[in-house]
Amino acid sequence: EAGVAQSPRYKIIEKRQSVAFWCNPISGHATLYWYQQILGQGPKLLIQFQNNGVVDDSQLPKDRFSAERLKGVDSTLKIQPAKLEDSAVYLCASILTRGASGELFFGEGSRLTVL
Amino acid sequence: AQTVTQSQPEMSVQEAETVTLSCTYDTSENNYYLFWYKQPPSRQMILVIRQEAYKQQNATENRFSVNFQKAAKSFSLKISDSQLGDTAMYFCASNSGNTPLVFGKGTRLSVIA
Repeated sequence: EAGVAQSPRYKIIEKRQSVAFWCNPISGHATLYWYQQILGQGPKLLIQFQNNGVVDDSQLPKDRFSAERLKGVDSTLKIQPAKLEDSAVYLCASILTRGASGELFFGEGSRLTVL
Repeated sequence: AQTVTQSQPEMSVQEAETVTLSCTYDTSENNYYLFWYKQPPSRQMILVIRQEAYKQQNATENRFSVNFQKAAKSFSLKISDSQLGDTAMYFCASNSGNTPLVFGKGTRLSVIA
């Protein structure tokens, strides 16, 4: 079974530039999450999708971050314009269905460096 | 809101020895779940072990076991017979109902040969 795929693995940009990250969850997983992991900290939820609908985006900085999952499968996370403090690893995770007991499957992450 | 606290930023253990990683949490929910995830260097996070709060028996998975103290809101991870491949960041996490996982800040574990 293929895991959660993310790209690119690494990205370096100047501040005020834009960047987009892509995630392909495990086939059949209805719920998809984007987490931000700043160096030395635990992952922090940015947005949660159930199929193609947003369940929770309360912690997404909407003035610069946007995310979509148009067909309920792949998802894209965009940052525009980037700030220095956006330097982090962006983790995508998926789960078969919403529910507390399920195992979350993570991608390898996309490491963003903003100069 | 749920919170998870890991008070040990770094730990080290000799190969074949036992190490315990600490975690405390806070929640107002009666039914919740606790997890330990492992994040090896430059690799994806994987589930190590999970515990349902309504179960009194501590979860075990081969060399990994937990000490779940519900009244104290404590959830520690014990790794027995430590191996070099156990070197990683370990994150304690919690959720309930349909809420997303909330993670602690992590503990960096180094297994020394």
